[in-house]
Amino acid sequence: GQQLNQSPQSMFIQEGEDVSMNCTSSSIFNTWLWYKQEPGEGPVLLIALYKAGELTSNGRLTAQFGITRKDSFLNISASIPSDVGIYFCAGAAGNNRKLIWGLGTSLGVNP
Amino acid sequence: GAGVSQSPSNKVTEKGKDVELRCDPISGHTALYWYRQRLGQGLEFLIYFQGNSAPDKSGLPSDRFSAERTGESVSTLTIQRTQQEDSAVYLCASSPIGEQFFGPGTRLTVL
Repeated sequence: GQQLNQSPQSMFIQEGEDVSMNCTSSSIFNTWLWYKQEPGEGPVLLIALYKAGELTSNGRLTAQFGITRKDSFLNISASIPSDVGIYFCAGAAGNNRKLIWGLGTSLGVNP
Repeated sequence: GAGVSQSPSNKVTEKGKDVELRCDPISGHTALYWYRQRLGQGLEFLIYFQGNSAPDKSGLPSDRFSAERTGESVSTLTIQRTQQEDSAVYLCASSPIGEQFFGPGTRLTVL
C-alpha cells in the first residue's frame, strides 16, 4: 500500500542535541500526525496538524505542516534519554479516515 | 479516563490453531482500526470499522483473517489456522475523527 517517505531511518545523538526528522508524500494531505512508540507499547500521539503552514509545539517538540501539504517535519530540542523511541508520521487526505504511515525514525540518545 | 484496551496482552499458540484478539475502544469513538506490526517494522493496516461496518478491509492478508465489531464498541480480530508468519504485535486504535489512539497491542507468537 501507499507509504510516506520518512527520514532519517535512524539516528543516534548526544543528550542535549536538537533533532529533526521529516516525512514527504507524493500526494496532498490535509492531516499530519506524529506519534512516538516505545518498546512493548502502542504508538502515542504527540502532535496533530490540520492546516497547511501550521506550526505546533508540545513542550520540546515542534512540528510543522508543510505549505505544499506534501510534507511535515518534527523537531525535538534539547534531547533527553527518555526521548528514545521510534517516531512515526502519518497522514490522511480528504475525508479519508484511513491514515497512511511512514516507516518510522528510530532515535537513540546517549546520556 | 480509560484508553484503548486490548486482550490478551500476550498469546502463544501452536501452528494451525485459531486465535481471537479483543479490542475495547475509547467510549464514543466511532472509528476503530486494526494494525499488524512485525518486529522492528512499521504499522501494517489490516481493517477499519466505521460504527459496526467495515468500509475498508483491504489490508487483511488472507481469508484466514476476519474481524467484527458489535454495539459500535468491542471488536474482535480472528485468525484461523495460524501460521508462523502471523507472529507479530496486533494493535488496535480508535478515533473520534482524525487522530487515532492506540491500545498496548497483543503480542502473538505462533510456534
